[in-house]
Amino acid sequence: GENVEQHPSTLSVQEGDSAVIKCTYSDSASNYFPWYKQELGKRPQLIIDIRSNVGEKKDQRIAVTLNKTAKHFSLHITETQPEDSAVYFCAASGAGNDMRFGAGTRLTVKP
Amino acid sequence: EAQVTQNPRYLITVTGKKLTVTCSQNMNHEYMSWYRQDPGLGLRQIYYSMNVEVTDKGDVPEGYKVSRKEKRNFPLILESPSPNQTSLYFCASSPSPIEEQYFGPGTRLTVT
Repeated sequence: GENVEQHPSTLSVQEGDSAVIKCTYSDSASNYFPWYKQELGKRPQLIIDIRSNVGEKKDQRIAVTLNKTAKHFSLHITETQPEDSAVYFCAASGAGNDMRFGAGTRLTVKP
Repeated sequence: EAQVTQNPRYLITVTGKKLTVTCSQNMNHEYMSWYRQDPGLGLRQIYYSMNVEVTDKGDVPEGYKVSRKEKRNFPLILESPSPNQTSLYFCASSPSPIEEQYFGPGTRLTVT
């Protein structure tokens, strides 16, 4: 089955700097790659997603890139703000319709 | 209001006492899932359902059962809970496996 690895597990940046979180997946048939943000005590919420027929997608300060050959995808947050502090999860949807999540990255943005 | 609801939100129980966590969505979504969240392990899919009467095992199905008799409901059943099932559980729904999943508020389960 699909296996998703996420790095780093923790990330601390200064406000205004950029943050990058990377994920790799194992199933070459995976075709949907969402990113979820989970604030403390809250439920996960989608922030951006990308499909396998697209290499990059951007939404304001957030972008995701996908390299199908290398089987990895990354989340880029520019001009970070304290409210970006949260746990971020990548995920991949496999050919079997299941969804595998990475272990999460705790991002701290220091003012 | 479009939402996914779960009940109960908190539950403390003892080993071996059967329990059910309910999940309901009002968005007419086909795809529903159950996840457990443990520190350092992220979200792990327990079971998922593509439609009524269609359920499949996720990554960690052992010790759990589900049913999908109606499109809106997807209960999670623990026939004989054990302490290693102490966790935070989320139900989620989406139109399909390759679209945004909407998560419920979570159920914190403690098995002693």
